[in-house]
Amino acid sequence: DTGVSQNPRHKITKRGQNVTFRCDPISEHNRLYWYRQTLGQGPEFLTYFQNEAQLEKSRLLSDRFSAERPKGSFSTLEIQRTEQGDSAMYLCASSGTEKLFFGSGTQLSVL
Amino acid sequence: GEDVEQSLFLSVREGDSSVINCTYTDSSSTYLYWYKQEPGAGLQLLTYIFSNMDMKQDQRLTVLLNKKDKHLSLRIADTQTGDSAIYFCAESIRGYSTLTFGKGTMLLVSP
Repeated sequence: DTGVSQNPRHKITKRGQNVTFRCDPISEHNRLYWYRQTLGQGPEFLTYFQNEAQLEKSRLLSDRFSAERPKGSFSTLEIQRTEQGDSAMYLCASSGTEKLFFGSGTQLSVL
Repeated sequence: GEDVEQSLFLSVREGDSSVINCTYTDSSSTYLYWYKQEPGAGLQLLTYIFSNMDMKQDQRLTVLLNKKDKHLSLRIADTQTGDSAIYFCAESIRGYSTLTFGKGTMLLVSP
């Protein structure tokens, strides 16, 4: 069990650029989640996959955001035309049961 | 609606017990969780409790759940300086597909 792995750890980008983050869940976990955390706040749910199916999306996930989990293993989260308000920690979690395990996150800074 | 509230800050001396409190609003919560977050890191699952239980103990951690008052607490016995971190309470409602987090309680342990 190597835990949930997220890459990159940090990303600095200019407003208007596209960014993509990757999450590798714990290998036997069929559920994968994306959350966003801003300074001083708790994580907020963005979206959730069971295997390769995206089952739920938060209203926080605007049209500029897209997430995929093509083979039911790793997942990517893409943000198009980034805005300064997208600056946050993007956390991935996975689970096989009621226990959700989080990765270390990708810290996005949009300049 | 879904709303989880926590006090923002708690300061204790090393060796004392810490009690972190949380209230939630949705009576249909199925699982309630405590996570720990250290600076710049992801969330570490500490413990969780199923909604039909009222207490769970795990080494130095004791979770108490009062469903009538929708109140959850985390007691840390013999608090150490390494316990200094932000502690998040979270509830799941629809099984465990998504979690709603509080804003976190910063615990500061002084020697």
